Amino acid sequence: SQKIEQNSEALNIQEGKTATLTCNYTNYSPAYLQWYRQDPGRGPVFLLLIRENEKEKRKERLKVTFDTTLKQSLFHITASQPADSATYLCALALNSGYALNFGKGTSLLVTP
Amino acid sequence: DGGITQSPKYLFRKEGQNVTLSCEQNLNHDAMYWYRQDPGQGLRLIYYSQIVNDFQKGDIAEGYSVSREKKESFPLTVTSAQKNPTAFYLCASTSSGRYNEQFFGPGTRLTVL
Repeated sequence: SQKIEQNSEALNIQEGKTATLTCNYTNYSPAYLQWYRQDPGRGPVFLLLIRENEKEKRKERLKVTFDTTLKQSLFHITASQPADSATYLCALALNSGYALNFGKGTSLLVTP
Repeated sequence: DGGITQSPKYLFRKEGQNVTLSCEQNLNHDAMYWYRQDPGQGLRLIYYSQIVNDFQKGDIAEGYSVSREKKESFPLTVTSAQKNPTAFYLCASTSSGRYNEQFFGPGTRLTVL
């Protein structure tokens, strides 16, 4: 069955360091992968999309890589700030259309 | 301002009652989605609709029903057949085109007493 795995344990890092979050998947051939940020009690907010033929995508302090051989995406936040503390979700497109399958998310805590 | 609205933010119902959650968008998006989120869990797809008057079941459609009579609206009914309805419900929409992001509403937290 299709499976998306993200670090289940919370990631605690110090302000200014780079946070790296992992998304692994099995039994998928995704055309693209998306990353979202979710704050407690709120809906997710889209951050970045990377297509299967792209290795890396950047947006300000965010960087996403996509390795279809390893079936893995890495999400990096450089120069992290306490305001980056949130849960980060990766999502893959279902084969049948536009609907997405989401991972369980990784909680990031950035301390001053 | 364009966006997605969900109402109410908090909803309490007695066991055995049907309840309908509202989702409206003014983004002119074709596709709309309903997800359920339980504590410490990811989003699970309940139903989605790519065009008016058409919708498909997601992974956990049992005990739920939807309608899509207007492009702007995609209400979700949680029926008494849903065994464990207490959860955080999220509605999302996206424009047509395969690589587009989903825009989410603020969510409705349903508690069944």
